[in-house]
Amino acid sequence: DAGVIQSPRHEVTEMGQEVTLRCKPISGHDYLFWYRQTMMRGLELLIYFNNNVPIDDSGMPEDRFSAKMPNASFSTLKIQPSEPRDSAVYFCASSYLAENTDTQYFGPGTRLTVL
Amino acid sequence: KNEVEQSPQNLTAQEGEFITINCSYSVGISALHWLQQHPGGGIVSLFMLSSGKKKHGRLIATINIQEKHSSLHITASHPRDSAVYICAVGGTGANSKLTFGKGITLSVRP
Repeated sequence: DAGVIQSPRHEVTEMGQEVTLRCKPISGHDYLFWYRQTMMRGLELLIYFNNNVPIDDSGMPEDRFSAKMPNASFSTLKIQPSEPRDSAVYFCASSYLAENTDTQYFGPGTRLTVL
Repeated sequence: KNEVEQSPQNLTAQEGEFITINCSYSVGISALHWLQQHPGGGIVSLFMLSSGKKKHGRLIATINIQEKHSSLHITASHPRDSAVYICAVGGTGANSKLTFGKGITLSVRP
């Protein structure tokens, strides 16, 4: 398997623009997580899905952020409108719930810069 | 006070040394994760612990649930171990939300 795939790897946009980040989890995994990493706050969980259903979105910072998982092989994180403080690295991770293991596999991340 | 505290914040070691990285948490958990983030930014999950000890190669992770403390040990350290080591606590399965520590930057000098 190719692992968790994220696109784009880098995104530079101007304040006010819409940004869409994409994630393809590992085939067969039933959990998908979106994280944000900044120097100030470190890693933070934004939202996670189980079987395509959002379970906990309490980490989503504002209504400007939304996430969807239309099927088991694809998820998007959208920011509209984007602001400079949204600049961060956004990671997607997936996992498969099995007895005694809950390893999360991280994608390479998308580095977002909002000017 | 952060829910997850890691110490020390930065650590420098000489190749071959035995290294210990600590993590303390203040909430009840079902599991604790150790993650490794290399300078290129990629994150790798090293261990998930709910009790006792786990070993993988030169890495050993222990957890004391009563004391709410975990340690990550690296034996015979090598420059390629240089990375940020992040501790995260949370549940498992349906309660998989993780809370992360700030991470410890480890530099191993040849």
